[in-house]
Amino acid sequence: EVKLVESGGGLVQPGRSLKLSCAASGFNFNDYWMGWVRQAPGKGLEWIGEINKDSSTINYTPSLKDKFTISRDNAQNTLYLQMSKLGSEDTAIYYCARASLDYWGQGVMVTVSS
Amino acid sequence: ETVMTQSPTSMSTSIGERVTLNCKASQSVGINVDWYQQTPGQSPKLLIYGASNRHTGVPDRFTGSGFGRDFTLTISNMEAEDLAVYYCLQYGSIPPTFGGGTKLELK
Repeated sequence: EVKLVESGGGLVQPGRSLKLSCAASGFNFNDYWMGWVRQAPGKGLEWIGEINKDSSTINYTPSLKDKFTISRDNAQNTLYLQMSKLGSEDTAIYYCARASLDYWGQGVMVTVSS
Repeated sequence: ETVMTQSPTSMSTSIGERVTLNCKASQSVGINVDWYQQTPGQSPKLLIYGASNRHTGVPDRFTGSGFGRDFTLTISNMEAEDLAVYYCLQYGSIPPTFGGGTKLELK
């Protein structure tokens, strides 16, 4: 069974950084591109970016390219999202998914507030 | 960036009804469109990929169609468990972009 479990969310002050993790199991993590999607409270879905199997290619949505960094550790079957210069507009549920978006995690809430 | 416009934004339906949801792309995306279902408190679930292919385990009452700019998701025989928000996604151009969603409610 494909399983993706996000962690690292919570309350963070504006301007600070936060790093999310996504633990993958039930499939060969090394064989798949992976990605992140977010959803602001009561709003729609926003694609953040994706990373290829060996981390040599990373694509971002242009508006987040300078704030967010996607990385992965294939030895640990873990995907990461490093977020910097956070603002209230970044308050959302963050979902980890296989890049084809066929399987998603349950999501982790990030709240940016003083 | 390709803008995906879904219509209607909400729809009142009845159990057993046939439901048609629409998604229009601002430029041609070929068949590079997926459909997702999201129930309250849950993560989105893939229903249709490549415009018309059902994902594993998706009931055959869900049918996707379309090419280019216009896409449709049809639920042939609405069930209570289908009450949800449905999103289309295009991945024909970077960045992939979602539509704003269509919420299905009971009449």
